[in-house]
Amino acid sequence: EVQLVESGGGLVKPGGSLRISCVASGFTFSIYVMNWVRQAPGKGLEWVSSISSSSSHIYYADSVKGRFTISRDNAKNSLYLQMNSLRAEDTAVYYCASQEGGCSGASCFTSWGQGTLVTVSS
Amino acid sequence: QSVLTQPPSVSGAPGQRVTISCTGSSSNFGADYDVHWYQQLPGTAPKLLMYANIIRSSGVPDRFSGSKSGTSASLVITGLQAEDEADYFCQSYDRSLNVVFGGGTKLTVL
Repeated sequence: EVQLVESGGGLVKPGGSLRISCVASGFTFSIYVMNWVRQAPGKGLEWVSSISSSSSHIYYADSVKGRFTISRDNAKNSLYLQMNSLRAEDTAVYYCASQEGGCSGASCFTSWGQGTLVTVSS
Repeated sequence: QSVLTQPPSVSGAPGQRVTISCTGSSSNFGADYDVHWYQQLPGTAPKLLMYANIIRSSGVPDRFSGSKSGTSASLVITGLQAEDEADYFCQSYDRSLNVVFGGGTKLTVL
């Protein structure tokens, strides 16, 4: 069974930094694209960032480019998101999402974690 | 304003059929990128429902079906059940913006 477990969310002041993590199990983490998707309270889904299996290809939404950094450690089956210069509008539940199985050749997200809440407020 | 446009809400009685639309543009659906659908039950993470326009994800009942034509896509639910009450999101790839989502549709089972 695929499991994605996020951690590291919390309350941070505007302009601050936070690093969130996702540990994967139940599939061969090292060969699949991984992603972060966020959802502001009461709002829809917003794709944040994607990273290829070898970290050679990385993409960001315009809203976070230059402030967020995605990375992965295949030896630890882990995905990370370093968030700097945080703003109130970054407040959201951040989901880790994988592209194994049917989504391996498509732009969809097969499995999702339970999410970690990041709140940016003074 | 989402790149993919969905109705904010739809409703139907148990046993009925409902359709959720998702309208894109020439840079996503019109560029032949697929549509994918997610179901989000209250208080839970999204779950992949349909992918590559018409393929049901593992364990999804055949009451759910999807289609895409031109710059529009649809999710159809037949034999509506109380447990189908959820938010539904369409998603695709956009040549200019990478991954894009619809704003979501809240399905109410009357």
